[in-house]
Amino acid sequence: GAVVSQHPSWVICKSGTSVKIECRSLDFQATTMFWYRQFPKQSLMLMATSNEGSKATYEQGVEKDKFLINHASLTLSTLTVTSAHPEDSSFYICSARSRSHGTGELFFGEGSRLTVL
Amino acid sequence: GENVEQHPSTLSVQEGDSAVIKCTYSDSASNYFPWYKQELGKRPQLIIDIRSNVGEKKDQRIAVTLNKTAKHFSLHITETQPEDSAVYFCAATLTGNTPLVFGKGTRLSVIA
Repeated sequence: GAVVSQHPSWVICKSGTSVKIECRSLDFQATTMFWYRQFPKQSLMLMATSNEGSKATYEQGVEKDKFLINHASLTLSTLTVTSAHPEDSSFYICSARSRSHGTGELFFGEGSRLTVL
Repeated sequence: GENVEQHPSTLSVQEGDSAVIKCTYSDSASNYFPWYKQELGKRPQLIIDIRSNVGEKKDQRIAVTLNKTAKHFSLHITETQPEDSAVYFCAATLTGNTPLVFGKGTRLSVIA
C-alpha cells in the first residue's frame, strides 16, 4: 500500500508554545490530506481537510487560527498547533488517499502524540 | 453529514469463539465502508473494506456484510485469537476526496 509518514511521533512542549507536525506522502501525490485528532479511549475525529494549494476546510468547533494547516506541495501537509495548552494534548494523525492505488483506502501516518505541560 | 454508530463499545470473547461488531450509517450516498484495527498508541490499520455494490466480503477469518437498504454493516471475526485483541473502528464515506467518518470504536478482548 501507499506510505504516509508523519513527524514527530511524539512531542512534549510547554504551555503557550507552538508545535509543528509534518505529514508526507512518500510514494504518491496527495492533493487532499485529512487531519484527525484522537483523545484517549476515543475515536478519530476529523479536524480538517487539507487541500494542496488552497485553504484547509475545518470541521465545526475546530479553531482555524489555532490549528494552522499548510499544504504547500502534493506530498507535504503540516499542522501547527499554536499557543498550545494542556487540553490540546492528544494523538494527531494525518491520512491521505492515493489515486494510483485506486481502492479508496485511506492511508494513515504513524500519528503524533502531543503532550502540553 | 454522515453519522456512524458502532456497537458494542466493548466485547469480550473466549479464544476460538466468533466476534461480531455492528455499525449503522446515515448517509445513503456513502459507498465505501472500511474497518480498521488499532493497537494502543499506533495508527489504524485497514483490515477489510467493502463497497456498496457488494453485499459480503471475506478474507480468511474476517468477513464484512453490508445491507444498503438498512444502512448497516457488520464485521465478523471467526476463530478469534489473543492477537485479535485491539480496538476496531468502522467507517463510512463517499469515495473521492471525502474524509472517513468513524464510529466510536469497539474494544475487543480475546481471552485465552
